[in-house]
Amino acid sequence: DAMVIQNPRYQVTQFGKPVTLSCSQTLNHNVMYWYQQKSSQAPKLLFHYYDKDFNNEADTPDNFQSRRPNTSFCFLDIRSPGLGDAAMYLCATSRDHLLGLADTDTQYFGPGTRLTVL
Amino acid sequence: GQSLEQPSEVTAVEGAIVQINCTYQTSGFYGLSWYQQHDGGAPTFLSYNALDGLEETGRFSSFLSRSDSYGYLLLQELQMKDSASYFCAGYNTDKLIFGTGTRLQVFP
Repeated sequence: DAMVIQNPRYQVTQFGKPVTLSCSQTLNHNVMYWYQQKSSQAPKLLFHYYDKDFNNEADTPDNFQSRRPNTSFCFLDIRSPGLGDAAMYLCATSRDHLLGLADTDTQYFGPGTRLTVL
Repeated sequence: GQSLEQPSEVTAVEGAIVQINCTYQTSGFYGLSWYQQHDGGAPTFLSYNALDGLEETGRFSSFLSRSDSYGYLLLQELQMKDSASYFCAGYNTDKLIFGTGTRLQVFP
């Protein structure tokens, strides 16, 4: 089945130790997104790729970086995780972006990676 | 500013009907989506309103009035498995903005 896959599902890292979260998709969608979600809060967009074009949110800390080596894969790198970065990290995809149509703009989410920082 | 406000919590019993409201303040806004998220799970897409009016998908219906900056999700014939968080999400000029979320608890 076509889907959005995230690995690992649970990640434990130490304060200040770089960590990479991965996302892959078999939907062949143009757009891939990374969200951070803390307990009882809404998902917060960190950045997204439209194909190879990177779009960073203004309030995303420099500590967060992303790479998209090809259509299928996207990575989230946290260079120096702090205790405040402990959260669920969600990857999502959409076929296209902001065309006002459900079949192009609908975002499909992966299961998420729960990051713990010790 | 850009914000979508929802009630924080709603409770109901099995078989009942519940409406979750979403009011928003945003510019350049078009379209309203609804997502369901179970504890520890990922958001899953429920519905999308590109135009004003009612969209029906099985037990769930969603409504949008852009002139009133208002939408709602209507859940009918509630089941225990409907206990989850529900987010409205608005499409803005360059991204999807999630609402504050509503936690729905369904009781037997």
